[in-house]
Amino acid sequence: AQTVTQSQPEMSVQEAETVTLSCTYDTSESDYYLFWYKQPPSRQMILVIRQEAYKQQNATENRFSVNFQKAAKSFSLKISDSQLGDAAMYFCAYRGLPNFGNEKLTFGTGTRLTIIP
Amino acid sequence: NAGVTQTPKFQVLKTGQSMTLQCAQDMNHEYMSWYRQDPGMGLRLIHYSVGAGITDQGEVPNGYNVSRSTTEDFPLRLLSAAPSQTSVYFCATLGRTYEQYFGPGTRLTVT
Repeated sequence: AQTVTQSQPEMSVQEAETVTLSCTYDTSESDYYLFWYKQPPSRQMILVIRQEAYKQQNATENRFSVNFQKAAKSFSLKISDSQLGDAAMYFCAYRGLPNFGNEKLTFGTGTRLTIIP
Repeated sequence: NAGVTQTPKFQVLKTGQSMTLQCAQDMNHEYMSWYRQDPGMGLRLIHYSVGAGITDQGEVPNGYNVSRSTTEDFPLRLLSAAPSQTSVYFCATLGRTYEQYFGPGTRLTVT
């Protein structure tokens, strides 16, 4: 079974600085998807960024980028120019290729990010 | 489009009571699922459905029932609530670009 590990329960960063959140995963599959979700105090789950394992290029969405190391099974999230609105719980998640019963997301336990003004 | 909606937003139950958490979507997605979120444990899959009439169990199905009579609706039933079911519940669908869309969640407390 796939597992996702986030080893940093809490992180903090000064506003406008850069922070990296770590995620490792375990799978025997060669093709899969990885995601970072943001959960602010409103509780809504918001997709931040997505990476397909067969793509070597790291995904980027504005100030958010990932460092995807497939051999090491590592998927870290870098937030540049941190803003107060980035304060939230961040979850790393894994999903296999769409197939009957394989569509579920496996989540890590989350990292709570605090932005220091 | 409303996306994924859930009702109620908050609910307090007594041990042994039953209730249904509602989930509806207007995106015509075939795949729908229910997760529960507990502190320090991330989200865990309860049940899922790949289309009307088809459901299956996830990681933590005990104490919950589901059915899927239409594409739009996927209710989650608690037949006899227990304090261990105190949690936040999320309904989610799977889009055609393999992105999951989450509802706003239901906070359930069982006393």
